[in-house]
Amino acid sequence: GAVVSQHPSWVICKSGTSVKIECRSLDFQATTMFWYRQFPKQSLMLMATSNEGSKATYEQGVEKDKFLINHASLTLSTLTVTSAHPEDSSFYICSGLWTGNTEAFFGQGTRLTVV
Amino acid sequence: QQQVKQSPQSLIVQKGGISIINCAYENTAFDYFPWYQQFPGKGPALLIAIRPDVSEKKEGRFTISFNKSAKQFSLHIMDSQPGDSATYFCAASSGYSSASKIIFGSGTRLSIRP
Repeated sequence: GAVVSQHPSWVICKSGTSVKIECRSLDFQATTMFWYRQFPKQSLMLMATSNEGSKATYEQGVEKDKFLINHASLTLSTLTVTSAHPEDSSFYICSGLWTGNTEAFFGQGTRLTVV
Repeated sequence: QQQVKQSPQSLIVQKGGISIINCAYENTAFDYFPWYQQFPGKGPALLIAIRPDVSEKKEGRFTISFNKSAKQFSLHIMDSQPGDSATYFCAASSGYSSASKIIFGSGTRLSIRP
């Protein structure tokens, strides 16, 4: 299957700082990227959907000014957690797919810990 | 609003046994039903998927049974092995015809006892 590379795999940051997570599709052009958040022992909750070159569509309850998503190219999408707080500590996962394909390919996830 | 309901929350099965996980959905617009396997600290990986025009799909030890009228589908893992111990998520989307978000079930933590 296609490969989605997500970096970093884990990050620790201080409260109030910003953290950027990168998601790259290595062998396909991801026309659509999804960003999920997963708390321990819970399911994946969709945060936002982004199409290349367009503004992201955020799910209800997700602060778009706090979770900045950029999808400037067909192979790279980034999620920036701004002014991070301990409650933002979670496992963040991206997935990508291309137009006409149903299967979404997931990154390895990023464990964010805000101290 | 939980659009995909999954049960059980956790499951313990003896090695060699059959693991069964059930899901139900509400949105009749869903036309793609994948199952994902997730190991701790990793992203989910597609295990097997089905469309509503078939009632069953089998790939190796993994089988999806689909009941369109009841809006239910299930995953059967035959001859379960310790390496199958993971969290399994059912999901649904209306993405077969166009890119659409995937809605995940709540997950089932499966443990296979040796």
